[in-house]
Amino acid sequence: NAGVTQTPKFQVLKTGQSMTLQCAQDMNHEYMSWYRQDPGMGLRLIHYSVGAGITDQGEVPNGYNVSRSTTEDFPLRLLSAAPSQTSVYFCASSYSRYANTEAFFGQGTRLTVV
Amino acid sequence: RKEVEQDPGPFNVPEGATVAFNCTYSNSASQSFFWYRQDCRKEPKLLMSVYSSGNEDGRFTAQLNRASQYISLLIRDSKLSDSATYLCVVNIPMNTGFQKLVFGTGTRLLVSP
Repeated sequence: NAGVTQTPKFQVLKTGQSMTLQCAQDMNHEYMSWYRQDPGMGLRLIHYSVGAGITDQGEVPNGYNVSRSTTEDFPLRLLSAAPSQTSVYFCASSYSRYANTEAFFGQGTRLTVV
Repeated sequence: RKEVEQDPGPFNVPEGATVAFNCTYSNSASQSFFWYRQDCRKEPKLLMSVYSSGNEDGRFTAQLNRASQYISLLIRDSKLSDSATYLCVVNIPMNTGFQKLVFGTGTRLLVSP
């Protein structure tokens, strides 16, 4: 069972570059979300989606875009990378759109912006 | 006030000890509560859900106090393999009618021989 698949696992970007972090789940989950994790800050919600075509902002959305054209995929786009976006990014999905069931996480993407 | 607050630790305990973690949440409308475990440089994984009546899973016991907006996790007979960061997680209702999962910063546990 694949679960939640995130790519790439590691990435180094130059300031100003753009890129897309990919996230796919094969569990037919309604709820998908992106978090970033920084030392001492815990996981902070960037964007989330409760189904295809429905997305909303989380706690730290600036500098990131998302879309949800299918149930399976929820890519995160960095528009113009900044050193402050150096972090570990996790994608998660859960069955219920009300975020009240177990969340399954991808293995994370370690992003460095230089 | 943060939506979910935890003592960051670290908690250093010997094998066999009992250790308790606490967590408070700010939104009284929250309905779902969880404890996740995260190993170093790994993704978080569900440890257990927290139910109103309290629940136990082997050496782990979770309690919820809605009146005080407080969640706890008790680990009995600590093992070396329990060393990890424990994340308190709460779902927060949004104005949109949807909900979001909010994570505490985590409490680090180190179990020593």
